Amino acid sequence: GAVVSQHPSWVICKSGTSVKIECRSLDFQATTMFWYRQFPKQSLMLMATSNEGSKATYEQGVEKDKFLINHASLTLSTLTVTSAHPEDSSFYICSAVEGSTQYFGPGTRLTVL
Amino acid sequence: GENVEQHPSTLSVQEGDSAVIKCTYSDSASNYFPWYKQELGKGPQLIIDIRSNVGEKKDQRIAVTLNKTAKHFSLHITETQPEDSAVYFCAALLTGGGNKLTFGTGTQLKVEL
Repeated sequence: GAVVSQHPSWVICKSGTSVKIECRSLDFQATTMFWYRQFPKQSLMLMATSNEGSKATYEQGVEKDKFLINHASLTLSTLTVTSAHPEDSSFYICSAVEGSTQYFGPGTRLTVL
Repeated sequence: GENVEQHPSTLSVQEGDSAVIKCTYSDSASNYFPWYKQELGKGPQLIIDIRSNVGEKKDQRIAVTLNKTAKHFSLHITETQPEDSAVYFCAALLTGGGNKLTFGTGTQLKVEL
């Protein structure tokens, strides 16, 4: 089956620093990838749609200058949380689309001190 | 846009019993309905999906039914096992929606020995 990886699986950083999260489709090419964040005991909240070779599309209320997305190849999308603050602490999950099916990565736990 | 409601929010069953989780969607243009299982600290895993041209689909102990007229779909797990304990999310894909999924709020399933 389709496999999506994320790196790192967890990260702890100081307030004000930037953190980059990578999402890779390992055995298929994905023109479209999605980035979600999930708070404890809640559903997934879509942050943005990442399209290879073009600018990401952000959901309402998501700051594009704070959450930088780059989709430079058909197998890699990156999410950079800039100037992270404690309220950015969350579980970040990416997904990659094959056909019309979304396959999710294992998630990245971000803790901002 | 699409709106997906999911019930119940928590479900506790005895090992060997069946579990049923129900979802309703609002937009009749939705045509693809996946179910995801999420274990604690991990990303969602696709367990079964159904398209709007099919009424039922089964994969071993898991089945999904779709009633397009009533705009609801259900996940059925038979002979539940402790390893089935997890959070289950339903989702709906709106035709022409750019592959964006709308998720339900999740069901915490607990299979007790």
